[in-house]
Amino acid sequence: DGGITQSPKYLFRKEGQNVTLSCEQNLNHDAMYWYRQDPGQGLRLIYYSQIVNDFQKGDIAEGYSVSREKKESFPLTVTSAQKNPTAFYLCASSTQAGETQYFGPGTRLLVL
Amino acid sequence: GDSVTQMEGPVTLSEEAFLTINCTYTATGYPSLFWYVQYPGEGLQLLLKATKADDKGSNKGFEATYRKETTSFHLEKGSVQVSDSAVYFCALRGTASYDKVIFGPGTSLSVIP
Repeated sequence: DGGITQSPKYLFRKEGQNVTLSCEQNLNHDAMYWYRQDPGQGLRLIYYSQIVNDFQKGDIAEGYSVSREKKESFPLTVTSAQKNPTAFYLCASSTQAGETQYFGPGTRLLVL
Repeated sequence: GDSVTQMEGPVTLSEEAFLTINCTYTATGYPSLFWYVQYPGEGLQLLLKATKADDKGSNKGFEATYRKETTSFHLEKGSVQVSDSAVYFCALRGTASYDKVIFGPGTSLSVIP
């Protein structure tokens, strides 16, 4: 079955630690996205990538980094510079940028 | 810039009640409009979409009509079920921000038996 997988489902971060969230898709989509969702709020775009080896900052990129070395994979690193990382992180993909997006199940990040 | 405004929730309805969730947008030209649904603890799923004025998107008993004159895309369902309890997001893909989808804040719906 085609789809998007995110791992882990829950992730715990200690102060000063970098953590990486995984996102993999087997839909052969060119575009991939990372969003942050806080309780009772909508989605805010962190980074997006329209093609391999290229990505753009979204609205809240500070404290995050990404890579797009393979079409299928778009990992997100939450660095120690992100002072309020506790949130639900959603990865999505689409055939082309701006088209219908398909979402993964999300990763909930908590700070110890 | 492009933006989406939704009615604030939470919305609580009894089973078989009529549902309307209001959505209005600001964008130049003719954006594509979407409704996504998020069930508890899950990612978002596309519910329906419309790409041009007067188009009606429909799925699973939900409908929304693209109204250019009122810049609206209200979501409706004639008879809600408990299983419709979720958060609903209105979204647009603008002509200016063609490579991104702009999401509204979401409206939480609870349907009680």
